[in-house]
Amino acid sequence: AQSVTQPDIHITVSEGASLELRCNYSYGATPYLFWYVQSPGQGLQLLLKYFSGDTLVQGIKGFEAEFKRSQSSFNLRKPSVHWSDAAEYFCAVGLLTGGGNKLTFGTGTQLKVEL
Amino acid sequence: DARVTQTPRHKVTEMGQEVTMRCQPILGHNTVFWYRQTMMQGLELLAYFRNRAPLDDSGMPKDRFSAEMPDATLATLKIQPSEPRDSAVYFCASGLVAGGTEAFFGQGTRLTVV
Repeated sequence: AQSVTQPDIHITVSEGASLELRCNYSYGATPYLFWYVQSPGQGLQLLLKYFSGDTLVQGIKGFEAEFKRSQSSFNLRKPSVHWSDAAEYFCAVGLLTGGGNKLTFGTGTQLKVEL
Repeated sequence: DARVTQTPRHKVTEMGQEVTMRCQPILGHNTVFWYRQTMMQGLELLAYFRNRAPLDDSGMPKDRFSAEMPDATLATLKIQPSEPRDSAVYFCASGLVAGGTEAFFGQGTRLTVV
């Protein structure tokens, strides 16, 4: 079965600093990979996704992620963090079944931004 | 602006009562997912449907939970009887049957069972 590990439960960065959130997955084939963001009291919003092609994918809000097959990783990055980026971030792996993508989520990384 | 709509947004109920949560998926989407989010367990997949047929509900406690799609515009998750350990945020998501397509999430129903 597929699984996702987000090793950092909490991360604090200063506004304007760069950010990298780690995600490692376990899956027997090339996975579909996603990053979602959740603001307090809200649902999950898709930041970006990877399923084939260029291993560096661009998303919304200035985020990007790089798929590294050799490391089974899909880390999320942003060159300069804004205070509004404070939220919880979830990495997910998709298993294509007959019913479409069945997503397995990591436990999330809570991002705090210091002004 | 297409979105997944969940009702109610908040629900407080007493232990033993029946709770029904509703979800209107995005028009045209043919897969629907129910997730539960708690501090301890994170996001857990409870059930998912394709073209209104249940494909997997192995994540759901069968004795008290049930999920249905009466029609393409409505999915329901019912808990009977509810227990305090069911307190959580329940998310509905919808998507399309195709590789690489993401799930679109509703804003969730925050359930508190006292």
